[in-house]
Amino acid sequence: AQKVTQAQTEISVVEKEDVTLDCVYETRDTTYYLFWYKQPPSGELVFLIRRNSFDEQNEISGRYSWNFQKSTSSFNFTITASQVVDSAVYFCALSEPLRWNTDKLIFGTGTRLQVFP
Amino acid sequence: DTEVTQTPKHLVMGMTNKKSLKCEQHMGHRAMYWYKQKAKKPPELMFVYSYEKLSINESVPSRFSPECPNSSLLNLHLHALQPEDSALYLCASSQPTGNEQYFGPGTRLTVT
Repeated sequence: AQKVTQAQTEISVVEKEDVTLDCVYETRDTTYYLFWYKQPPSGELVFLIRRNSFDEQNEISGRYSWNFQKSTSSFNFTITASQVVDSAVYFCALSEPLRWNTDKLIFGTGTRLQVFP
Repeated sequence: DTEVTQTPKHLVMGMTNKKSLKCEQHMGHRAMYWYKQKAKKPPELMFVYSYEKLSINESVPSRFSPECPNSSLLNLHLHALQPEDSALYLCASSQPTGNEQYFGPGTRLTVT
């Protein structure tokens, strides 16, 4: 069965600290896709990154970076020099293919990040 | 443009009311989704439409009735809801399988 685990329920940091959000997944598929979404207090889920199972290259986008390791089934997310605007709930997700070219997103339980000034 | 719009933003309805939630996207996506999210929980899939046809119903009660009038629009018709149906309802769309889903801002529904 597909499963995503985000063991950190809540993390609090002070501005400018680096923070890493952990994500561990389970799947029997050889081809799969992983995602990170940000959900600020307004409620909208904002897409951050997509990674397929064949691409283990780490990615950096500004202050955000992602570390994908198939050997440990992990897809961790690091925010460097955190800012108050980074405060949100972050979800890691795994896609489960459905019929007719669609997917179901299997979400982790989310990590609430609070960044204090 | 990666925008999905949803109306209304907030909705309060009684258990005997009939109301509809609307979702629109103009990204040319052929897959559209309804999710339900309770407080402090991840989103849960309700329905999936592919090329305007209902492809997945995740055992959702019949008091929720989805509709896809065309490739850009998705509706969720609500009737005789229960207080436990109060939640954030999120619409999403995507390209074919393996691609990211883009979410709208959601409708916060309160059933009294």
